[in-house]
Amino acid sequence: KAGVTQTPRYLIKTRGQQVTLSCSPISGHRSVSWYQQTPGQGLQFLFEYFSETQRNKGNFPGRFSGRQFSNSRSEMNVSTLELGDSALYLCASSLGGRDETQYFGPGTRLLVL
Amino acid sequence: TQLLEQSPQFLSIQEGENLTVYCNSSSVFSSLQWYRQEPGEGPVLLVTVVTGGEVKKLKRLTFQFGDARKDSSLHITAAQPGDTGLYLCAGATIGDYKLSFGAGTTVTVRA
Repeated sequence: KAGVTQTPRYLIKTRGQQVTLSCSPISGHRSVSWYQQTPGQGLQFLFEYFSETQRNKGNFPGRFSGRQFSNSRSEMNVSTLELGDSALYLCASSLGGRDETQYFGPGTRLLVL
Repeated sequence: TQLLEQSPQFLSIQEGENLTVYCNSSSVFSSLQWYRQEPGEGPVLLVTVVTGGEVKKLKRLTFQFGDARKDSSLHITAAQPGDTGLYLCAGATIGDYKLSFGAGTTVTVRA
């Protein structure tokens, strides 16, 4: 079975721009979660989508948004980029039940200049 | 404040030595997971523990889930340079869908 894939792997943007990241989950997985990882804050939960609906949300500003498609693929969008948005963005997929193990993709490294 | 507190934050040891990483919380978890992450990559799942008091062994790695399901430990015997990485514990509180992560322990095994 193919693992979780994320595109692009690396991205450089400037302040004020917007960015869209993509995540393809493991086949059969219906839940996709997004995380931001920085050296100072560690792994922070952004949001989770299940069957095209946002089921959980972390404490991030509204500039961070996402969506999920009928094939379970998910996108995350960040508008009006700030320098502090530079991070590794990880997505993880699972079957979607409570306490299900999550499997991570390799991440997208975003650098905001 | 992190829901899961990991200690130590950094660990540097010589090849062949043993090490233990701790993950503690005041909350009860329905399950707890340990991941290892290498630079520039996503975390890779090592193990999931679900039963209080459970002990799981994966070659030289031993994972323990506390009786009260509030804490866990990872013990590595005879560490090797390939064990180098960031070790993360993560758990979902009972009835929750989302995972909370510890801040991680950076382990360096010197040859």
